[in-house]
Amino acid sequence: AQSVAQPEDQVNVAEGNPLTVKCTYSVSGNPYLFWYVQYPNRGLQFLLKYITGDNLVKGSYGFEAEFNKSQTSFHLKKPSALVSDSALYFCAVRELMNRDDKIIFGKGTRLHILP
Amino acid sequence: EPEVTQTPSHQVTQMGQEVILRCVPISNHLYFYWYRQILGQKVEFLVSFYNNEISEKSEIFDDQFSVERPDGSNFTLKIRSTKLEDSAMYFCASSGTGNYGYTFGSGTRLTVV
Repeated sequence: AQSVAQPEDQVNVAEGNPLTVKCTYSVSGNPYLFWYVQYPNRGLQFLLKYITGDNLVKGSYGFEAEFNKSQTSFHLKKPSALVSDSALYFCAVRELMNRDDKIIFGKGTRLHILP
Repeated sequence: EPEVTQTPSHQVTQMGQEVILRCVPISNHLYFYWYRQILGQKVEFLVSFYNNEISEKSEIFDDQFSVERPDGSNFTLKIRSTKLEDSAMYFCASSGTGNYGYTFGSGTRLTVV
């Protein structure tokens, strides 16, 4: 069964600095990887996904993520953080095995961007 | 851009009462899901639904829960007799053929008192 780990409960970054939110995964086959963001009292917003192709994936709001197969990681990155990036970030993995399957979420990492 | 719509946005119910959470998935999607998030915590899978039947369900999805697609457009989650621990945000999602990601609704916050 697939699983995903986000080792950091919280990440603090000064505004303007680069940010990284870590994610590692475990699947039997090929992974489909996602990042979602949740702002306070809001739903889950899709940021980006890796299905196949280039290991560096670009998504919404200037975020990007790098798929590293050897390290089974899919870290989320942004070159210059904004205060408005403060939110709860979820890494997720999906493993297509049958006609249907499910996305499994990590426990989430709370990102605080300090002004 | 197509959206998944959930109603109501917030529901308060007394313990032991039945609740129905409603979702309208994206019209050409075939796969439907319910997830639950206890306040600020992990997003947990409840159930997946395809071709008018449950594909998979988690341990959380016990006999108190049921899902239905009554009319070809709505997708509902029913909790038969709510417990305090059912208080959570419930997210509906849908996915189409060849679409590897899900589109999530904005959620229904259920408060059981």
